[in-house]
Amino acid sequence: ETGVTQTPRHLVMGMTNKKSLKCEQHLGHNAMYWYKQSAKKPLELMFVYSLEERVENNSVPSRFSPECPNSSHLFLHLHTLQPEDSALYLCASSQDLGKTGEKLFFGSGTQLSVL
Amino acid sequence: KQEVTQIPAALSVPEGENLVLNCSFTDSAIYNLQWFRQDPGKGLTSLLLIQSSQREQTSGRLNASLDKSSGRSTLYIAASQPGDSATYLCAVSPGSARQLTFGSGTQLTVLP
Repeated sequence: ETGVTQTPRHLVMGMTNKKSLKCEQHLGHNAMYWYKQSAKKPLELMFVYSLEERVENNSVPSRFSPECPNSSHLFLHLHTLQPEDSALYLCASSQDLGKTGEKLFFGSGTQLSVL
Repeated sequence: KQEVTQIPAALSVPEGENLVLNCSFTDSAIYNLQWFRQDPGKGLTSLLLIQSSQREQTSGRLNASLDKSSGRSTLYIAASQPGDSATYLCAVSPGSARQLTFGSGTQLTVLP
């Protein structure tokens, strides 16, 4: 167990559904991240939060909406997704943001399939 | 823009063999390089982190080297075991974790 927990592990949704991915970290970290991992592609950074404030949005479509109610929890709200959004969505945390040499701790991911 | 390439994309070896995984990056202005392991359908686990001022790091049967000037890193796995089967990713950063650029990984299969 890495200390970063993601639920659900698997999710199948239609293009008109609304769903949410949840991430919780038990490490006392101040920064949390959402990554997208598509098959055979490098990880893509989607959003970064530091102390509950969003500090980065890497041109992610508005059908993905992040929420960070406190430094331990991070959500990714999904609505009207497209089939090409099917991927493994990974949450990560680090002690602080902007510190050089910081290590990332990853959750196990949510495997999302959009039909 | 930084690009990270890992070759080969997949590798299959018999148990007990020593092996080398390769990672190359286009911009040598990095602060650190990390190697991660990813099991199927799971998240990433950090294996080794090399600062730009270092040449290598070792952890058990794993040894990672960094040649910043040539834009290359290798991950050496000694006496491979079936439990080493996973995808190995490298990532480089000019500074903080949020600036990491990942490669696509090498999928390793160690046959019993």
